Amino acid sequence: EVQLVESGGGLVQPGGSLRLSCAASGFTFSRSWMSWVRQAPGKGLEWVANIKQDGSEKYYVDSVKGRFTISRDNTKNSLYLQMNSLRAEDTAVYYCARDADYVDYWGQGTLVTVSS
Amino acid sequence: QLVLTQSPSASASLGASVKLTCTLSSGHSSYAIAWHQQQPEKGPRYLMKLNRDGSLSKGDGIPDRFSGSSSGAERYLTISSLQSEDEADYYCQTWGAGIALFGGGTQLTVL
Repeated sequence: EVQLVESGGGLVQPGGSLRLSCAASGFTFSRSWMSWVRQAPGKGLEWVANIKQDGSEKYYVDSVKGRFTISRDNTKNSLYLQMNSLRAEDTAVYYCARDADYVDYWGQGTLVTVSS
Repeated sequence: QLVLTQSPSASASLGASVKLTCTLSSGHSSYAIAWHQQQPEKGPRYLMKLNRDGSLSKGDGIPDRFSGSSSGAERYLTISSLQSEDEADYYCQTWGAGIALFGGGTQLTVL
């Protein structure tokens, strides 16, 4: 059974940093593209970033370029999202997702709240 | 510019069928999409991938009541024999050049 379990969310002040983690199991992590997708309160889904199997390619939505960094550790079956210079508009539930071009498995999400 | 357009809301009666639409922007009518369901207060769930020619592949455990079809730039999700648990938000997703994109979602109400 595929499982994606996010952690690391919480309350952070504007301008602060946070690192999200995602523990993957039930599939060959090292063979899969992975993504982060977020959902602001009461809003729709927004793709944030993805990363190739070996980490050699990474893509980001324009609104987070230069502030967020996606990474992975295939030895630990883990995906990460380093979020710097956080803004109020980054407040959202962040989902880890397996990326087969489209998302075919979702995590349960972790809430990030950016507020003073 | 690649854009996915969905109607904000839809409704249908218990036991009936409903057809939700996702429209690809001009010049992108060949793109495949994926459909996702998000029930209230839950995370999203992958339903199916739907190709230009109408061929599809479903996610694990998705009932036969959920089907998809395509026509030109439109991609459809049909839910038959509607049940109360089908009341949810439905999102389409596409991808290209490394990035992914979601439609705005359709909120389905089961009457």
